Amino acid sequence: DGGITQSPKYLFRKEGQNVTLSCEQNLNHDAMYWYRQDPGQGLRLIYYSQIVNDFQKGDIAEGYSVSREKKESFPLTVTSAQKNPTAFYLCASSNSKNTDTQYFGPGTRLTVL
Amino acid sequence: GEDVEQSLFLSVREGDSSVINCTYTDSSSTYLYWYKQEPGAGLQLLTYIFSNMDMKQDQRLTVLLNKKDKHLSLRIADTQTGDSAIYFCAEIAYNNNDMRFGAGTRLTVKP
Repeated sequence: DGGITQSPKYLFRKEGQNVTLSCEQNLNHDAMYWYRQDPGQGLRLIYYSQIVNDFQKGDIAEGYSVSREKKESFPLTVTSAQKNPTAFYLCASSNSKNTDTQYFGPGTRLTVL
Repeated sequence: GEDVEQSLFLSVREGDSSVINCTYTDSSSTYLYWYKQEPGAGLQLLTYIFSNMDMKQDQRLTVLLNKKDKHLSLRIADTQTGDSAIYFCAEIAYNNNDMRFGAGTRLTVKP
């Protein structure tokens, strides 16, 4: 089945630790995205990548890093520099055209203890 | 920046119609979307409309777009308890990678 997978579903981290969230897609999409969702707020864009080995900062990139070494994978690292990392993280992908529909993964809930 | 706004809550009785409203400010919006999010899950694309359309119907879903007023609505006919979820309005402009989301409307369907 084609789709986007994110793992793990739930993640707990101690303060001061880096943690990496996985996102994989087998839709052959060129573009991939990371969003953060907080209660009562819309999604906010962290990073996006339109092509392998290239990525751009979104609205709230500080404290996060990404890599895009393969077309199907776009991992997000939440670093210790991120002041308030507890949130629900959603990955999405779309074809290369800018206005193409984005399809979302199931999300990872990160809790910092 | 450009904003997308939605009311946060809507409650309806099972069998009634639900209307979820959304306003946006970016006049260059090209596509407008409705996504559904069930508890603890990712976003599921429900439907979308291109900005040169006024209406789109898909089974129980009707999307209305008033481009002059920058107002988008989603009507769900014969609302069921399984429709209870958060509904997000989103827009994207031509040649822009930023998809802007509203805060989401939590729809509660009472039996």
